[in-house]
Amino acid sequence: EIVLTQSPGTLSLSPGERAALSCRASQSVSSSYLAWYQQKPGQAPRLLIYGASSRATGIPDRFSGSGSGTDFTLTISRLEPEDFAVYYCQQYGSSPRTFGPGTKVEIK
Amino acid sequence: VQLVESGGGLVEPGGSLRLSCAASGFSFSTYSMNWVRQAPGKGLEWVSSISTSSSHISYADSVKGRFTVSRDNAKNSLYLQMNSLRAEDTAFYYCTRAYCSGGSCYWASDFWGQGTLVTVSP
Repeated sequence: EIVLTQSPGTLSLSPGERAALSCRASQSVSSSYLAWYQQKPGQAPRLLIYGASSRATGIPDRFSGSGSGTDFTLTISRLEPEDFAVYYCQQYGSSPRTFGPGTKVEIK
Repeated sequence: VQLVESGGGLVEPGGSLRLSCAASGFSFSTYSMNWVRQAPGKGLEWVSSISTSSSHISYADSVKGRFTVSRDNAKNSLYLQMNSLRAEDTAFYYCTRAYCSGGSCYWASDFWGQGTLVTVSP
């Protein structure tokens, strides 16, 4: 089983700042099958990034994903008020298709 | 695209429930599907996946042997039969669509239902 570790657990930033969220895998994620999701309170998660770096339909270009192998990063170039939420990474290259524990991005 | 889960509720430990997911707005038979759960206030946990023709099915170890995923493409519906329920199965259960891109399909989830709450308690 691939274990995903996300850091930091909580990121306190102000609107307009840049956010960098890390997702590390216990073993290499095949074919960069790594996704990022955003979840706001009381809502279902929303797909942001798939294939480590491809934005899902309708996702603003301030969201970008990078990385390969075991190290992946989600970057939000300039935080908007609606971006404060919890972010999860998921590897889907092997079963079980594990999620990371999440990073909460909160308003400083 | 719309995914609507139903069938959640309160059940005693050892009991059973069957969750349903009604899909609309897309060609259901051409997409693989997933179940993902989230205990209240906790993170996401992948539960199960099923391919378009049900030929490929997989489960998390935590539910293997107790849960069964199935689908009825004629009814545009996904199901999760949950037996021998435990307190640790208490969670919101989300039905999700596996995404397709460039003619190929993958197991990440591009659309999610709003979830149905399963509570396992005496």
